[in-house]
Amino acid sequence: AQKVTQAQTEISVVEKEDVTLDCVYETRDTTYYLFWYKQPPSGELVFLIRRNSFDEQNEISGRYSWNFQKSTSSFNFTITASQVVDSAVYFCALLTDSNYQLIWGAGTKLIIKP
Amino acid sequence: DSGVTQTPKHLITATGQRVTLRCSPRSGDLSVYWYQQSLDQGLQFLIQYYNGEERAKGNILERFSAQQFPDLHSELNLSSLELGDSALYFCASSVTSGGWDTQYFGPGTRLTVL
Repeated sequence: AQKVTQAQTEISVVEKEDVTLDCVYETRDTTYYLFWYKQPPSGELVFLIRRNSFDEQNEISGRYSWNFQKSTSSFNFTITASQVVDSAVYFCALLTDSNYQLIWGAGTKLIIKP
Repeated sequence: DSGVTQTPKHLITATGQRVTLRCSPRSGDLSVYWYQQSLDQGLQFLIQYYNGEERAKGNILERFSAQQFPDLHSELNLSSLELGDSALYFCASSVTSGGWDTQYFGPGTRLTVL
């Protein structure tokens, strides 16, 4: 079975704090892809990053960084020096070559207080 | 702006009615995906089309149908609407149909069934 778990339903921090959003996935496929999407209050889904199962290199993009660990089946997302504009629901998703559909986590609602 | 367009943005209708949601993929993208986002079910994959042909099917009800036209735009038809069909419907597109390809999402159509 394929599954994505985002155990944190809601996180609230004060602006400028660092925050990590957890994502744990399950799949028996050896080739798979992991994604993070952001859904701001306006409702659209914004693509943030894609990671392939054969590339465990962590990635940093500005204040955003992602930690992919196959040993723990995790793909965590860290926002450094959070800003109010980061407030949104963040979704982790999994896609495998045997199943073209995105399997979504339940999402983590991130609230950044000024 | 992802380049994927969806119309209408909002739709309010009554139970038993039929509606059509429209999606235009990004220029050059051959694959179109439909997802439903509801409060109780979260984000769920409905169906995928690639270059006019159905490629994969998810949790799509028999009352729902979709198609992709020669110009690659897609329509999702929802009939005999029930209160539980109220949701945000997203269309996404990608260049190919493979898992290695990122899906970019449109702004969504919010359907309210009264």
